[in-house]
Amino acid sequence: NAGVTQTPKFRVLKTGQSMTLLCAQDMNHEYMYWYRQDPGMGLRLIHYSVGEGTTAKGEVPDGYNVSRLKKQNFLLGLESAAPSQTSVYFCASSLNSPTNYGYTFGSGTRLTVV
Amino acid sequence: SQQGEEDPQALSIQEGENATMNCSYKTSINNLQWYRQNSGRGLVHLILIRSNEREKHSGRLRVTLDTSKKSSSLLITASRAADTASYFCATGGNDMRFGAGTRLTVKP
Repeated sequence: NAGVTQTPKFRVLKTGQSMTLLCAQDMNHEYMYWYRQDPGMGLRLIHYSVGEGTTAKGEVPDGYNVSRLKKQNFLLGLESAAPSQTSVYFCASSLNSPTNYGYTFGSGTRLTVV
Repeated sequence: SQQGEEDPQALSIQEGENATMNCSYKTSINNLQWYRQNSGRGLVHLILIRSNEREKHSGRLRVTLDTSKKSSSLLITASRAADTASYFCATGGNDMRFGAGTRLTVKP
């Protein structure tokens, strides 16, 4: 059972380049999330999804887009990367509403934008 | 803005001592969750306490919740060097929000 898998683990982008981060879970979880973690800031929610085909904005959605075409995958896109998007990105999933269930996190993607 | 805020920001203790971390939040909650993050890794879920619960235990972990004070505490008893990590509280509905964490160092 792989849990939550994030691809890639590391990436360096030039300002203005685009990329997609992939999150895959094999636990049949309904809810999926993308967070970013910056030093001293804790985790901030970017976007989330409460089921296949749904997405919603979190705290810091600007500059990011997401898609949930398949239940097991949640993609995070950066259309035009900026240095302010240098961060560690974490994907998480939960069986259903976090009112009742905890999150399972991936191991993170460390992104540097130069 | 973060929903939960942990206190202290950093805590250093000797192995065998107890460690207490606190979390304060601003709005009413359905539940509050605690997570651990080892350096460079993803977060791991420790415990979920519902708004109608006052205390919950899991192994060496004890979590309390005081909804009147909008606060929670995480107690780790008989700490070990392996407990060295950052600890986060999280609250919210479908969009859980995390605090900035408490960095715990347990010295052998």
